[in-house]
Amino acid sequence: DSGVTQTPKHLITATGQRVTLRCSPRSGDLSVYWYQQSLDQGLQFLIQYYNGEERAKGNILERFSAQQFPDLHSELNLSSLELGDSALYFCASSAPSGAYTDTQYFGPGTRLTVL
Amino acid sequence: EDQVTQSPEALRLQEGESSSLNCSYTVSGLRGLFWYRQDPGKGPEFLFTLYSAGEEKEKERLKATLTKKESFLHITAPKPEDSATYLCAVVKGGSEKLVFGKGTKLTVNP
Repeated sequence: DSGVTQTPKHLITATGQRVTLRCSPRSGDLSVYWYQQSLDQGLQFLIQYYNGEERAKGNILERFSAQQFPDLHSELNLSSLELGDSALYFCASSAPSGAYTDTQYFGPGTRLTVL
Repeated sequence: EDQVTQSPEALRLQEGESSSLNCSYTVSGLRGLFWYRQDPGKGPEFLFTLYSAGEEKEKERLKATLTKKESFLHITAPKPEDSATYLCAVVKGGSEKLVFGKGTKLTVNP
């Protein structure tokens, strides 16, 4: 158990809908990262927050957005869902130092299925 | 463009048969190389971080090494419970995001 929690574990929805994925980082960690894992693309970085502020952005679609709250939990919002958005979404957190090489610890993931 | 290539894509071993997984990378200013283990439908589990060429780390039957262009994950006398996908990822200078390879799926038969 990494100490990172994610809810829900599974999510099934229809095209065009909007969903919210939730992540609670390890106790004391300030950075939260979101990754998408699909069969053909592997693990892809989406976005990072550090202590409530956006810190880095990857290939995140405009239909997706995220935020980190004062209690450091984070939410990833996916809207106007398409079939291709079906994937595993992982959250990771890292230590409070904010150093470039802090180890990222991953949560159990949310499996999103868009029908 | 930053690239991480893992080989082989899949590897089948008999219990006790040692082998190595390869991770080659093309990235400017490597800050760290990470190895993770991932079981089906689960989140990646951290194994090792390597920071500089020549560095080695060990944990049970696993040993990770790093050169300027690649990393190896050596598995000594594997057991069926070592079956998983092993992922390699790098962090480059000026960034905090992990760039992952596509992984090596290891199957260890009893």
